[in-house]
Amino acid sequence: AQKITQTQPGMFVQEKEAVTLDCTYDTSDPSYGLFWYKQPSSGEMIFLIYQGSYDQQNATEGRYSLNFQKARKSANLVISASQLGDSAMYFCAVFSSGSARQLTFGSGTQLTVLP
Amino acid sequence: NAGVTQTPKFRVLKTGQSMTLLCAQDMNHEYMYWYRQDPGMGLRLIHYSVGEGTTAKGEVPDGYNVSRLKKQNFLLGLESAAPSQTSVYFCASSYGSGVGEQYFGPGTRLTVT
Repeated sequence: AQKITQTQPGMFVQEKEAVTLDCTYDTSDPSYGLFWYKQPSSGEMIFLIYQGSYDQQNATEGRYSLNFQKARKSANLVISASQLGDSAMYFCAVFSSGSARQLTFGSGTQLTVLP
Repeated sequence: NAGVTQTPKFRVLKTGQSMTLLCAQDMNHEYMYWYRQDPGMGLRLIHYSVGEGTTAKGEVPDGYNVSRLKKQNFLLGLESAAPSQTSVYFCASSYGSGVGEQYFGPGTRLTVT
């Protein structure tokens, strides 16, 4: 079974500062993908960034980067230059291409950006 | 290009009633998924489909049935609703084997009284 752990239920960051949201995962499959999704108060799920288990370089998408440490089974999301619109719930998820073939989500981190 | 749409957006059911949630996607995706999200939790997979005419159980399938008669549609059925099924239901789709972005619908908020 796969498992995602997000240990920070809530985080605060000052506008324009960088913030790191923690995520550790557990999967027995050698091939997997790691995702981060944003869920604003309106409720929709917005894809942010993806990292494959065999990717050598950390993924980046604009102000989002994924700090992937495979040996530690860690996939932290870094948001640079935080904006007020970044206030939302953030979910880390792992997909395994093995028999499970499902996206397993963590419990999320509520990020609040302060003006 | 509407992406992934869900019908209805809100619904209130009484215990024991049945209903069907419809998910439609116009991206020609092979894979479709149904998740539920309970307060303070991440999404949990109910059922999924890897192509037209196929379905498979996810993490929390009990009390739900699904059908994928057409590639673009994925239906989630509750035969006898229970208060424990009060949740927000999300549908998602993806192009290939799933190792890639899943596109989510806007969600359906279901309350069972």
